[in-house]
Amino acid sequence: AQTVTQSQPEMSVQEAETVTLSCTYDTSESDYYLFWYKQPPSRQMILVIRQEAYKQQNATENRFSVNFQKAAKSFSLKISDSQLGDAAMYFCAYRSRSTSGTYKYIFGTGTRLKVLA
Amino acid sequence: DGGITQSPKYLFRKEGQNVTLSCEQNLNHDAMYWYRQDPGQGLRLIYYSQIVNDFQKGDIAEGYSVSREKKESFPLTVTSAQKNPTAFYLCASKVGQGPYNEQFFGPGTRLTVL
Repeated sequence: AQTVTQSQPEMSVQEAETVTLSCTYDTSESDYYLFWYKQPPSRQMILVIRQEAYKQQNATENRFSVNFQKAAKSFSLKISDSQLGDAAMYFCAYRSRSTSGTYKYIFGTGTRLKVLA
Repeated sequence: DGGITQSPKYLFRKEGQNVTLSCEQNLNHDAMYWYRQDPGQGLRLIYYSQIVNDFQKGDIAEGYSVSREKKESFPLTVTSAQKNPTAFYLCASKVGQGPYNEQFFGPGTRLTVL
């Protein structure tokens, strides 16, 4: 069974600085999707970025980028120029690409990011 | 605007009562999901449905039931058999095919057992 681990329950970053959130996963599959979701105090889950495992290029969305290390099964999120609005819980998630299987997503336990003014 | 709605936002239940949480989507998505969120435990899958009239148990289905009679709707019933139902419940949906595989989430329902 696949697992997703976020080993940092809480992180802090100074406004305008850069922070990296860690995520590791375990799977025997070779093709899958990885996601980072943000959950602000409103508790609305928002997709931040996604990565397809067969793509070697790391995904980037404005100030958000990932460092995808497939062999190491690592999927970290880097937030550049941190803003107060980035303060939230961040969840890493895994989904199998297999179309014959189920569309189950597996989530990590989350990292709470605090942004200091 | 397309999206997912969950109602009510806050729900209170007395012990021994069943309660149903609503989830509706107008995104024309095939798959729908229910998650439970507890502090320090992330999101845990309760039930999911890939098509109408079909659904599967997730990792923590005991004490819960669902139905999927319409594509747009996936209500979750928390029964009296659920021993610790106080939690935040999230509904999500996902388009069945295509390159976009992320889930879209509703705003959630906070259930408190009194």
